[in-house]
Formats: sequence, C-alpha cells, structure tokens
Amino acid sequence: EDKVVQSPLSLVVHEGDTVTLNCSYEVTNFRSLLWYKQEKKAPTFLFMLTSSGIEKKSGRLSSILDKKELFSILNITATQTGDSAVYLCAASARAGNMLTFGGGTRLMVKP
Amino acid sequence: DAGVTQSPTHLIKTRGQQVTLRCSPKSGHDTVSWYQQALGQGPQFIFQYYEEEERQRGNFPDRFSGHQFPNYSSELNVNALLLGDSALYLCASSVGQGNSPLHFGNGTRLTVT
Repeated sequence: EDKVVQSPLSLVVHEGDTVTLNCSYEVTNFRSLLWYKQEKKAPTFLFMLTSSGIEKKSGRLSSILDKKELFSILNITATQTGDSAVYLCAASARAGNMLTFGGGTRLMVKP
Repeated sequence: DAGVTQSPTHLIKTRGQQVTLRCSPKSGHDTVSWYQQALGQGPQFIFQYYEEEERQRGNFPDRFSGHQFPNYSSELNVNALLLGDSALYLCASSVGQGNSPLHFGNGTRLTVT
C-alpha cells in the first residue's frame, strides 16, 4: 500500500526563523512529489518535483527531492505570520494522477 | 479565470440519508478528482473522472458514487450516510491523465448527525 509520512506533525517558530519540513514516501511506480499549502480550505499548489537533486524555488520557499532515499524537504526562510498553515506533501504514481497525501505539518509562525 | 468551484459550502445531514455534492472544474481542465479530508488528516482519494468515466478509485465503499457531465463538471453522491462520513470533501481538477498538478476547490463541509 502506498504511504506518505510527514514530520514534524506541528511546529511553532518566530518570524524570521527558517524551517525545514520533511516528507518520506513509499509509492509503487512513483512519478512525482507535490507540496501544497492549506490555510483554511483549499490546498494551494506550491511545487511539483520529478527529478532528484534539482531544487525548485519560489521566493522564500524551496524544495528538493531525493529519489534514492525516498524523501523530500520543503524549506521556508525568513518566515512570516502569513506562512502559518498546514503543509501537505503528496506523491503520484505513473498510472493517472491520483495523489497519496501525508498527514500534513501544521506550522505556526508567531510575531 | 474561475478556479474550481464547489457547492454547497456546508451541509448537515442525518445518518442514513443521501447527499450530492457538486464541482465545476477550473477553466480548461477536463479531469475531476474527489478527496475526503477528515479533521486533522491529509486528504484521501475517493475517485477520478475523465471523459465521463470513473478512471481510478480509492479504498471507498460503493456507497460513494459519482458522475461527470459533458461540460466536465462532476457530482459526488454518498448513500446511507454514517457518522464517519463527516469530513471536508475536496474536488480537484487537472488536465488529462498526465502529470499536471491538481487544483483544489474550497470543499464542502459535510456533518452527519
């Protein structure tokens, strides 16, 4: 059975701190790893990673995939209160684009 | 450019009843997927529709069924509701059956009493 595990479950930091969120996966016929941010309801797409070792960046957020060790990390530098959310990691397999999600990491950024 | 829209936003039903949730995909998208998200957990895949057919299905009982219309919109039906069906139901749309990222709607919060 496909599985995605995220750690830590929750994290409390202060504005300006840097955080690293972890995601490990076991997915048959793995194709890609996706990160989403969920503030209230709709998860919003952040990154999709398909190749190992290639960092993707968007502003203060970056992510990288290690297909040998089956994990990914999401880094957020200079955190702001607006980064407070649940961050979801998901993996897709080659058949279709069904996603297997992890349980999420709840990030709280205090002023 | 309209994103994924879902209706209704909230719904309260009684055990044993039936419910229908609706979803309109993002403009240009033709594939619709449904996910169930229990409180404090990640979304779980229910099923996916493409070209008006169910293409993939997760580990959900037959009480969960769906439909996709020619305009790509979709419905999720749940029969014989159980208390455990209380959750946020998320619809996501994408392009084709390839590797395009899913775009999610705001969901329908279903409470079963």
